[in-house]
Amino acid sequence: NAGVTQTPKFRVLKTGQSMTLLCAQDMNHEYMYWYRQDPGMGLRLIHYSVGEGTTAKGEVPDGYNVSRLKKQNFLLGLESAAPSQTSVYFCASSYHEKLFFGSGTQLSVL
Amino acid sequence: AQKVTQAQTEISVVEKEDVTLDCVYETRDTTYYLFWYKQPPSGELVFLIRRNSFDEQNEISGRYSWNFQKSTSSFNFTITASQVVDSAVYFCALSENSAGANNLFFGTGTRLTVIP
Repeated sequence: NAGVTQTPKFRVLKTGQSMTLLCAQDMNHEYMYWYRQDPGMGLRLIHYSVGEGTTAKGEVPDGYNVSRLKKQNFLLGLESAAPSQTSVYFCASSYHEKLFFGSGTQLSVL
Repeated sequence: AQKVTQAQTEISVVEKEDVTLDCVYETRDTTYYLFWYKQPPSGELVFLIRRNSFDEQNEISGRYSWNFQKSTSSFNFTITASQVVDSAVYFCALSENSAGANNLFFGTGTRLTVIP
């Protein structure tokens, strides 16, 4: 059982470049999330989805877009990367608030 | 507004010592949920426990125990006879949403180092 899988694990971007982080879950969960983790700030919610075809903004949505075209996938996009978006990104799905996390993506924007 | 405070940024203990990680929360709701997650060096966060606001019974799971006290708005986590494998960052979290985790707020985490 793979659980939540994120790709890639590491990425380096130049300012202004775009990229998409991929998240897939095989637990048939309705809810999926994207968090960013920064030193001394814990995890902050970027966007989330309560089901296929739906997305909503979290605490820190600016500069990111998401899509949930299929129930098992949740994509996070950066249209024009900025150094402030250097962070570790975690995808998660949930069942009754119990979150299942992916292993994270370390993103550096130079 | 919600707030979760983990005042202990880093803790170091020697193996076999007991250690308590503190968590203080703020909420105006009478119905809420409290969580602890563990983030080992591998990076992936792992669920440890969920407690709802109506259940103040302490819980024990092996070497782990949790003390929920509404009177002091605290949900502390104790590891008994710590082991090197307990070294991780531990996050306390609060949610007022029973349908999902979109309203889940994390504390800033406590890094626990267990010295062999």
